[in-house]
Amino acid sequence: GENVEQHPSTLSVQEGDSAVIKCTYSDSASNYFPWYKQELGKRPQLIIDIRSNVGEKKDQRIAVTLNKTAKHFSLHITETQPEDSAVYFCAADLGGFKTIFGAGTRLFVKA
Amino acid sequence: DAGITQSPRHKVTETGTPVTLRCHQTENHRYMYWYRQDPGHGLRLIHYSYGVKDTDKGEVSDGYSVSRSKTEDFLLTLESATSSQTSVYFCAISEGTGEYGYTFGSGTRLTVV
Repeated sequence: GENVEQHPSTLSVQEGDSAVIKCTYSDSASNYFPWYKQELGKRPQLIIDIRSNVGEKKDQRIAVTLNKTAKHFSLHITETQPEDSAVYFCAADLGGFKTIFGAGTRLFVKA
Repeated sequence: DAGITQSPRHKVTETGTPVTLRCHQTENHRYMYWYRQDPGHGLRLIHYSYGVKDTDKGEVSDGYSVSRSKTEDFLLTLESATSSQTSVYFCAISEGTGEYGYTFGSGTRLTVV
């Protein structure tokens, strides 16, 4: 069935370093790939997204890349700061009200 | 602030009792969703609505029902709560069927004892 695998499950980086989170999806019909950030005890919030006709998208310190052939997409955070510490979820939208979420990556940024 | 509120924020209930969670939006969005969040599973869709009185099942709908009598309100009912339904429940709204991203509510932490 449809599946989104997310790696790593936990990531610890030093402040100022880069962080990369990777997701792989199974359904080639997926055409929209959002990323959500969830701080402890808070709601998930959409931070960036990418559509299947685009290979890369940037917004300040965050960027997302998409490789449709390989069915994977990645979140890149540069110059990490302590406030980037959170759980990050990737997702793949298959259309028809079907969005599959990855299991999440807990990012720790050490000051 | 996000135009979507959930109530209650926390609830403890006993096994076998019915429970209703409420989601209220002020954005006039057509599409509303109920998700549950469990460790290691990300977010899984329980039910969704594409209009007043128009609802359908998601991935994990067994034991849950929903109702939407007004655009702004979407109710989730656990007909007879079980311990496996202990979870954090998030309501979400969107402008489309998922391809525009979601705005989530603050969540309801439900514990079934």
